[in-house]
Amino acid sequence: AQKVTQAQTEISVVEKEDVTLDCVYETRDTTYYLFWYKQPPSGELVFLIRRNSFDEQNEISGRYSWNFQKSTSSFNFTITASQVVDSAVYFCALSEEETSGSRLTFGEGTQLTVNP
Amino acid sequence: KAGVTQTPRYLIKTRGQQVTLSCSPISGHRSVSWYQQTPGQGLQFLFEYFSETQRNKGNFPGRFSGRQFSNSRSEMNVSTLELGDSALYLCASSSPRGANQPQHFGDGTRLSIL
Repeated sequence: AQKVTQAQTEISVVEKEDVTLDCVYETRDTTYYLFWYKQPPSGELVFLIRRNSFDEQNEISGRYSWNFQKSTSSFNFTITASQVVDSAVYFCALSEEETSGSRLTFGEGTQLTVNP
Repeated sequence: KAGVTQTPRYLIKTRGQQVTLSCSPISGHRSVSWYQQTPGQGLQFLFEYFSETQRNKGNFPGRFSGRQFSNSRSEMNVSTLELGDSALYLCASSSPRGANQPQHFGDGTRLSIL
């Protein structure tokens, strides 16, 4: 069965520090997709990034970067030079082409607090 | 382009009542999914609708049901409410339908059961 684990429940940093959010997943499908979402206090989940299982190329987009490693089933997310506005709960999620289709399986979430 | 709209934002009900939540997807999106978010269980998938048909269902009791209309708007109904149904209910839409599609979420409906 599919599973997503975010071991870090809460992280607190000071503004301008770099922070990495960890995500480990389990799946039996060979084709799957990994996502990161951000949930600010307003409640809406905001889509940040998607990666598919056959594309391990890591990417940098502004202050965000992602490290996808199939060998360790990890999909980590880094914010460089964090800002107070980055404070939110971050969710890693998995969908599977064969088993679950468009259904998302979420991790427990990591509460990130960036202090001024 | 307007985002996913959920109404109402807040609801207070008592045990045994029923409730209907509404979701209007992004214009042109035909896939609508529902999720329940609680502090104890986290984010859990309820069901997905596409072209007025339920395509996928999570592990929830039959008290939870939904439907989709021809304009892709969706409703979710919970009957015989229990205290444990208190949660944030999130609706998401996507286009086209598929495991690789990012889902776009609304602000949610916060349901409190007294």
